[in-house]
Parts: sequence; structure tokens; C-alpha cells
Amino acid sequence: AQKITQTQPGMFVQEKEAVTLDCTYDTSDQSYGLFWYKQPSSGEMIFLIYQGSYDEQNATEGRYSLNFQKARKSANLVISASQLGDSAMYFCAMRGSNSGYALNFGKGTSLLVTP
Amino acid sequence: KAGVTQTPRYLIKTRGQQVTLSCSPISGHRSVSWYQQTPGQGLQFLFEYFSETQRNKGNFPGRFSGRQFSNSRSEMNVSTLELGDSALYLCASSSGLGATTEAFFGQGTRLTVV
Repeated sequence: AQKITQTQPGMFVQEKEAVTLDCTYDTSDQSYGLFWYKQPSSGEMIFLIYQGSYDEQNATEGRYSLNFQKARKSANLVISASQLGDSAMYFCAMRGSNSGYALNFGKGTSLLVTP
Repeated sequence: KAGVTQTPRYLIKTRGQQVTLSCSPISGHRSVSWYQQTPGQGLQFLFEYFSETQRNKGNFPGRFSGRQFSNSRSEMNVSTLELGDSALYLCASSSGLGATTEAFFGQGTRLTVV
């Protein structure tokens, strides 16, 4: 079975600061994908960044980067230069053959960016 | 390029009724999957369709069903609605199957059962 753990229910960060959202996972799959999504209060799930289990370099997309530590089974999201519009729920997810490639989500982290 | 479109955005139904939700994937994407999001259970996988065939199914009762059409559009049906079916239903579109395939979501349909 696959399991995603996000241990931070809520986080605060000041505007322009960097913030790290934690994600650990457990799987017996050799090949898997790790994903981060942002969900504002409107409900839409916005894709942010993806990391493949065989990718040696950490993924980056603009202000988002994924700190992938395979041996530790962690895939933390780093948001640099936080903006007020970054306030939202953030979900870590993974997919692999053990789940029939369905996305398994963590419980999410609520991020609040303050002025 | 248009994103994933879900209709309707909001629905209010009475217990015992049935409901059909629609999802149009990104053009060229052949995989559509559905998820239910509730405050108590979080995000749970319902089912996935690829080329009109159901490829994977989550742990939901038979009241939840779906289908996919030849143009990749998908519908999800819930019969005999229960209060506990109140949730945000999200549809995701992917270009194919596999662990490394990105999934893009629509805005969701918020269903309220009264």
C-alpha cells in the first residue's frame, strides 16, 4: 500500500520569505511519481510540480522546487519569495503501480502568507 | 489550450435522488479519473477511465458509476444519494497511464445532498 504523510496541518510565512512544506511517503513501488498541488478556497486543484522516482535532479518550476530525498522517502515543497496569493491548501500526492496509478493524497497543509 | 472543464460547478440534490456530473478533459488527453474530497476523509479515488474503459476503481459502493465517451469526455453518476455523498468531486485529466504521467484537475463540482 502507498501512504503519504503531511505532518504540518497549518503553516504561516511572511511575504517574500521562503517556506518548506513537508511530505514523506511510503511505497514498495520502484517507479513512482510525486506531485504537489495547490488548492485555493475556490476548490480547484492546481498542479504545481512533479518529480519522478528515477529523476536524479530536484524538480523546479519557477518559485517552486521539490526537495527529493529518495533514501529518506521525502519530497518537500519549497516555495521561494512567498506571495499573498500563495495562501491555500497544499497537497502532496504520489502514484505508482501498487495503486493502479491512482493518485494517493496526503491530508494537506494549510499555508497562510502574511504581509 | 483549454483546461479540464467540469459541469455543473454546484449542485443541490435531495436524498434518494440521482445525479450526473460531467468532465471534459484537456484536448488530446485520453485518461480521466475522478476523486471525492470531503473534510473527514480527504481526497479519495473513485475510478479512472482510459479510452472508454474503466482501468481502475476505488473503494466506493456500486451507487457510484462512471463512463467515458469516444471523445474522452466522462460522466460520473451517483444513484440513491445519501447525505454523506455531499462533497467536492474533482476530475483529473492525463495524457496516458503510468506513474510518471502528470494529472491536471478541473475546478470541481460541489455537491450538496439535503
